[in-house]
Amino acid sequence: EAQVTQNPRYLITVTGKKLTVTCSQNMNHEYMSWYRQDPGLGLRQIYYSMNVEVTDKGDVPEGYKVSRKEKRNFPLILESPSPNQTSLYFCASSPEAGGPITGELFFGEGSRLTVL
Amino acid sequence: QKEVEQNSGPLSVPEGAIASLNCTYSDRGSQSFFWYRQYSGKSPELIMFIYSNGDKEDGRFTAQLNKASQYVSLLIRDSQPSDSATYLCAVYRGGATNKLIFGTGTLLAVQP
Repeated sequence: EAQVTQNPRYLITVTGKKLTVTCSQNMNHEYMSWYRQDPGLGLRQIYYSMNVEVTDKGDVPEGYKVSRKEKRNFPLILESPSPNQTSLYFCASSPEAGGPITGELFFGEGSRLTVL
Repeated sequence: QKEVEQNSGPLSVPEGAIASLNCTYSDRGSQSFFWYRQYSGKSPELIMFIYSNGDKEDGRFTAQLNKASQYVSLLIRDSQPSDSATYLCAVYRGGATNKLIFGTGTLLAVQP
């Protein structure tokens, strides 16, 4: 089954404790992206990647890191989480290498992160 | 001004009625426009896209685009309780960034 898998789905952590949210897709997509979703602010892009070892900042990259060592994986790293990073996070991939020009994004199920 | 603006709602319609969801965008160079549906606690899913001025129909859904007014809308005919969800408008920003810009979404509630 074609899918984007995120882990963990739910996480409560404390300020400053490094964490990683994993994302893996089995569709051989080149384009992958991370979003955060907050009430009243909608979906905002954090980072995206057009291919292995190619990553770039989205609209809200502060406090986050990513890596793309393999095509299927695109982990999101919070080196020192803070309460303002409490949010719902979505990983997504697209079959279009240059970006989702047709709007076709396959989303993971989401990871709800709470930072105390 | 937000790049993509939607009324947050909730928009409440009775079952069987037409639901009309609206979206405006600020970048006049935008070329691709999309509607996603997001059920509570779930991830967004693409339901419609439109590239040209005018209407595009797919089953009970019609997307309308007016580039001169920078306006996109989604009509849902014969609304069903299962259509109750948040509808996200998205615009593709090409060039150097290649990404979708999402609106904040409109919550639709279809009353049985």
